[in-house]
Amino acid sequence: QQPVQSPQAVILREGEDAVINCSSSKALYSVHWYRQKHGEAPVFLMILLKGGEQKGHEKISASFNEKKQQSSLYLTASQLSYSGTYFCGTEWSYGQNFVFGPGTRLSVLP
Amino acid sequence: ETGVTQTPRHLVMGMTNKKSLKCEQHLGHNAMYWYKQSAKKPLELMFVYSLEERVENNSVPSRFSPECPNSSHLFLHLHTLQPEDSALYLCASSQENLGARDYGYTFGSGTRLTVV
Repeated sequence: QQPVQSPQAVILREGEDAVINCSSSKALYSVHWYRQKHGEAPVFLMILLKGGEQKGHEKISASFNEKKQQSSLYLTASQLSYSGTYFCGTEWSYGQNFVFGPGTRLSVLP
Repeated sequence: ETGVTQTPRHLVMGMTNKKSLKCEQHLGHNAMYWYKQSAKKPLELMFVYSLEERVENNSVPSRFSPECPNSSHLFLHLHTLQPEDSALYLCASSQENLGARDYGYTFGSGTRLTVV
């Protein structure tokens, strides 16, 4: 089953922060995050495994709440280059049922 | 060449044509995938090859036929497609390590397919 992402779209000014959520109806083994710019391939950002760890990638970080079956992607002090569609992907166990979410479109304005 | 390379970048074909999409990965990965991305739809998994063996086929119509001759190359053969098959077709690869998930998928830039 496809994870749910929220919000569907968000518009920010440069320097503002954003949070994108990804939730599943089932217990998760892992959550992936990807960013896709218009006309380009999705690019892998990070992966979180069950255990509730948090990861960082420059000013982009993510958390994984195993109990809530939810992951959040945090973008701080956003830059124009952060614009794109962010997808989460989830799997229930290793190699099983990996499904992408519908995506969250992020637009960063000057 | 590095990463995952897909050719052609754009393809227009008639419903009676036969064409093939090509994907090549230079990362030493042992699994390759075909995804379909339509407008306003999430990425849909079509086929998975792990160690050159097809392990998943998500109810894809038979007019799509995958081929994986070795761990670096993946093809998607197309015949008698329908206009609703027009989409971006993405190839991806990953390294599968016996139950350990360290990294995600590396995608190619895709082939924009238009069926007329």
